[in-house]
This record gives sequence, C-alpha cells and structure tokens, in this order.
Amino acid sequence: GDSVTQMEGPVTLSEEAFLTINCTYTATGYPSLFWYVQYPGEGLQLLLKATKADDKGSNKGFEATYRKETTSFHLEKGSVQVSDSAVYFCALPYSGNTPLVFGKGTRLSVIA
Amino acid sequence: GAGVSQSPSNKVTEKGKDVELRCDPISGHTALYWYRQSLGQGLEFLIYFQGNSAPDKSGLPSDRFSAERTGGSVSTLTIQRTQQEDSAVYLCASSLAGTSAYNEQFFGPGTRLTVL
Repeated sequence: GDSVTQMEGPVTLSEEAFLTINCTYTATGYPSLFWYVQYPGEGLQLLLKATKADDKGSNKGFEATYRKETTSFHLEKGSVQVSDSAVYFCALPYSGNTPLVFGKGTRLSVIA
Repeated sequence: GAGVSQSPSNKVTEKGKDVELRCDPISGHTALYWYRQSLGQGLEFLIYFQGNSAPDKSGLPSDRFSAERTGGSVSTLTIQRTQQEDSAVYLCASSLAGTSAYNEQFFGPGTRLTVL
C-alpha cells in the first residue's frame, strides 16, 4: 500500500535559520500530497498541499514541491520563527480513497 | 462556524473497562474519519464513514474497536475491554466528501485516552 517516509526529529534550529524536512512517498499513480502541522496543545491543521506533479504548495512562508521523479515532497522555510515550533506531518491519501497515510511526524523546536 | 469537536478531551480508565469517545463533525461534512496518534506508531487511520455507505473499517486494530455514526452526523468510537496499549490520542476529522483526494480534512482537538 501507499506509504510515507519522513525525516525523524527532533529538529532544533535558531530563529531565522533555514528549515528542510524531508518526505518521500510510495504510491500508485500520482496522489495529492499534504503537509499538516500540529502546534502545541492544538489539533492537526493543513499547512499546504500539492495536487499534481511539479505543483508547489505554499503557506505561512513554508513551501513544498511535488517531485514525481524523486517521489519527494520536502518542506522548506527560508527563515523560521519561534512560533513555527510544532510537529509536522507529511501525508497522502490511501490509493483511491481519502483516509490519510501519515509520516511519523517531525518535531521542530525554534529557539530565540 | 464551529470546527470538529470531540469529547471528552481526556479520559482515564482502568484496564478492562469499556470507553466511548464522541466526535461532532463540521455541519454538512459527509465524510468522517477516526485516527489514533500514539508514541512510536505515529498517526494511524482507524475507520472512515462516507455518507450512507458501509464504513471502511480496515484500520481497526482489533474487534474490541467499533464505531458508529448516527444520522450521518455524530460518531462514537467504542473500545471494549481496554488494554494499556490502547492509550493514545484519538483524533476525529471530517471533510465535505470522501470521493475526491482533494477535500481537506479538518481535525478535532482529540481525546487523550489513558488506560491504567
């Protein structure tokens, strides 16, 4: 079945540092790809998505590009802030269905 | 409008007891999902309801787990004879429809279950 492999954390960065969280996937066809974020004490929320190859999803300064040649959807941000401290999950739908398959999550801590 | 709500927010129970977890989806959302978030296992899909169709139960870990959705709205996840390994955060999500991969799932805050 479809699966997601995500860089495991925790990741600790100083404010204004560059962030990359790697995500690769295994899937039949070309599913939509998602990044979800879970801030401390809050529920999961969609951060960004890409629905086809070469699409770039972006939100709140975060970006991820759907690369079918490398089956990757790496999350990047040029300058992180303390408020970005959270757990980030890469996800894709099960084949032909919409329950999501999640990566293990990457905890990001940004220190001032 | 209101988001997905779940109750209780925390539940502590003794091994062997039954528990019921409730999810109120966003009004009008026809698809409802249950996931489990536990240390070491990440987020796992449990069960999925789409409209009046039979639910997809393929993620349920054992027959101690069951869920129902009454009137196409509220859902209850029941765990019978709880075990310590059932301790986790149980997340509910809903979306407008389950037939497209593009419909965003909106998540509730979760119920933290602790089995002593």
